[in-house]
Amino acid sequence: DSGVTQTPKHLITATGQRVTLRCSPRSGDLSVYWYQQSLDQGLQFLIQYYNGEERAKGNILERFSAQQFPDLHSELNLSSLELGDSALYFCASSPSPGTSDEQYFGPGTRLTVT
Amino acid sequence: GQNIDQPTEMTATEGAIVQINCTYQTSGFNGLFWYQQHAGEAPTFLSYNVLDGLEEKGRFSSFLSRSKGYSYLLLKELQMKDSASYLCAVTIPQGGKLIFGQGTELSVKP
Repeated sequence: DSGVTQTPKHLITATGQRVTLRCSPRSGDLSVYWYQQSLDQGLQFLIQYYNGEERAKGNILERFSAQQFPDLHSELNLSSLELGDSALYFCASSPSPGTSDEQYFGPGTRLTVT
Repeated sequence: GQNIDQPTEMTATEGAIVQINCTYQTSGFNGLFWYQQHAGEAPTFLSYNVLDGLEEKGRFSSFLSRSKGYSYLLLKELQMKDSASYLCAVTIPQGGKLIFGQGTELSVKP
């Protein structure tokens, strides 16, 4: 158990819908990262927050947005869902935004868009 | 651009040694991570290399050559539970994001 929690574990929804994925980092970690893992793309970095501020952005679609709240939990919002958005979404956390910190991954949310 | 290459699949025998290679070409480089991921589960940290050389941790060792853009993960005394995907990931100076390779699916057979 990494100490990172994600809810829900599974999510099944229809195309065009909007969903929110939630992540609570390990106690004491200020940095949160979101990754998408699909069969053909591997693990892709989406976005990073540090202490409430956006720190780095990957190839995140405009239909996706995220935020980190004062209690440090983070939410990833996915809207106008398409079949291709079906994937495992992982949240990870680390103590600082530095590049040498080990990132601890949550169990993931499996999103299925039908 | 960022490019990280690993073999897609490898097979090895229980009790043997296996080496998983990773080559990278990235715009900047800070360090290289290896993660293990069992199917449908979260990646878990195995090792981190920032300087050239070998880092040993029990049955697992990782090597880095920054000048060659090359790393390998060495797994000794293979066990059936080592069957998993092994992910090579690079961090670059812009933020703390991990740039992952596609992963190497290792199958350990009796």
